[in-house]
Amino acid sequence: EDKVVQSPLSLVVHEGDTVTLNCSYEVTNFRSLLWYKQEKKAPTFLFMLTSSGIEKKSGRLSSILDKKELFSILNITATQTGDSAVYLCAVDSGSARQLTFGSGTQLTVLP
Amino acid sequence: NAGVTQTPKFRVLKTGQSMTLLCAQDMNHEYMYWYRQDPGMGLRLIHYSVGEGTTAKGEVPDGYNVSRLKKQNFLLGLESAAPSQTSVYFCASRTVHSSYNEQFFGPGTRLTVL
Repeated sequence: EDKVVQSPLSLVVHEGDTVTLNCSYEVTNFRSLLWYKQEKKAPTFLFMLTSSGIEKKSGRLSSILDKKELFSILNITATQTGDSAVYLCAVDSGSARQLTFGSGTQLTVLP
Repeated sequence: NAGVTQTPKFRVLKTGQSMTLLCAQDMNHEYMYWYRQDPGMGLRLIHYSVGEGTTAKGEVPDGYNVSRLKKQNFLLGLESAAPSQTSVYFCASRTVHSSYNEQFFGPGTRLTVL
């Protein structure tokens, strides 16, 4: 059974701090790993990673994948209150490209 | 384009009642998915479809049925609702014509079963 585990489950920081969110996985047929941001509504897409060691960046967010050790990290620098959300990690491993999601990390950024 | 829409947005049912959730997408996507999200558990796949007239079970299919009679619509049915089916339901779709597996999500349906 495919499994995705995220840590920490929740995190409270102050504006300006840097955070690192973790995602480890065990799947039988890995294709890619995706990060989503969810703010009390539908998840919105952040990154997709397929190759080890290649960092994806978008503004203050960046992510990297380690396919040997089976994990990914999502970094957010200079956090803002608008970064408060649940961050979901998902692995694409099914024949129909189904996603297996982790339970998410609840990030709260205080002013 | 409206993207992915879901109907209804909220619903309260009594145990044993039935209902159908509708998902519609206007992006001509081949694949469609139904997920449920419970507190602290991320999203779990209920059923999915790779094309019109084809459906398959996901991780948590018990108590649900689905149909994909038209490419743009994916219906999720609860035949006899149970309190354990209280959840937020998300529909998603994606195209097969891209190796980029970005699934587009609908706004969700919050279902409460009393």
